Amino acid sequence: DAKTTQPNSMESNEEEPVHLPCNHSTISGTDYIHWYRQLPSQGPEYVIHGLTSNVNNRMASLAIAEDRKSSTLILHRATLRDAAVYYCILRDLQTSYDKVIFGPGTSLSVIP
Amino acid sequence: DTEVTQTPKHLVMGMTNKKSLKCEQHMGHRAMYWYKQKAKKPPELMFVYSYEKLSINESVPSRFSPECPNSSLLNLHLHALQPEDSALYLCASSHLGLAGAKNEQFFGPGTRLTVL
Repeated sequence: DAKTTQPNSMESNEEEPVHLPCNHSTISGTDYIHWYRQLPSQGPEYVIHGLTSNVNNRMASLAIAEDRKSSTLILHRATLRDAAVYYCILRDLQTSYDKVIFGPGTSLSVIP
Repeated sequence: DTEVTQTPKHLVMGMTNKKSLKCEQHMGHRAMYWYKQKAKKPPELMFVYSYEKLSINESVPSRFSPECPNSSLLNLHLHALQPEDSALYLCASSHLGLAGAKNEQFFGPGTRLTVL
C-alpha cells in the first residue's frame, strides 16, 4: 500500500485558516486521497476525498498537487471543535474491499 | 439513521474470561470492520466482513473471534486475552463498491477494553 507522511502536530488560532499537508510520493494512478479526523473520545469520521481535482464540501477543502504526490486539507476557519487528529489515507480503486489503513496522522490543536 | 452503535462502552475482563463486543448499524451497509486502537496511536484494521463473510483477517490472534450473524450486526468474541490487548475497539461500516469512491466508513464510538 502506498504510504502517506504528515506532520505529527500543528497549532492554529481559532477562526484562522488551517492548512494540513500530506505527502504521498508513491501514490498510484488508482489511489483516491481520503481524509478522516478523530475528535477526542470518538471514532474517526470522514472529512473529504478526491482523485485529481480540488474538492470542496461543507467541512473542508482538499487541494491536490498537479503531480498528485501531495495534498493539503484546508479548514477555512478553525474552531475549537476542529481540534482532532487528522488522517490522510490512500484508497486503491482497484481493490474489491474497502481497506482503510490509517497512518500516524496530524494532531491539530486550536488556540482560543 | 447514520449511526453505528457499540456495546458495551467499557469492559473490564480477566485473562480467563470470555466476553463479546457488539456492533450494530441500520444503514444498509454490507461491509463491516473491526479496528483496534491503542492510546495515541492510529486505528489498526483487524477484520473486514463483506456480505456477512470474512474477507480480511489482518493476522489477528485466534483469541479474537469475529462473527457477522446478519447484515446489521457484528460481534467480536474475546477469550483468553492478554493485558496488552487492552485498547479501544472500534467498529465501522460502509457500502460496498469501488474502493476509491466515497465509500466512507462510519465509525462507532468504540468499546474501551481493559484486560487485567
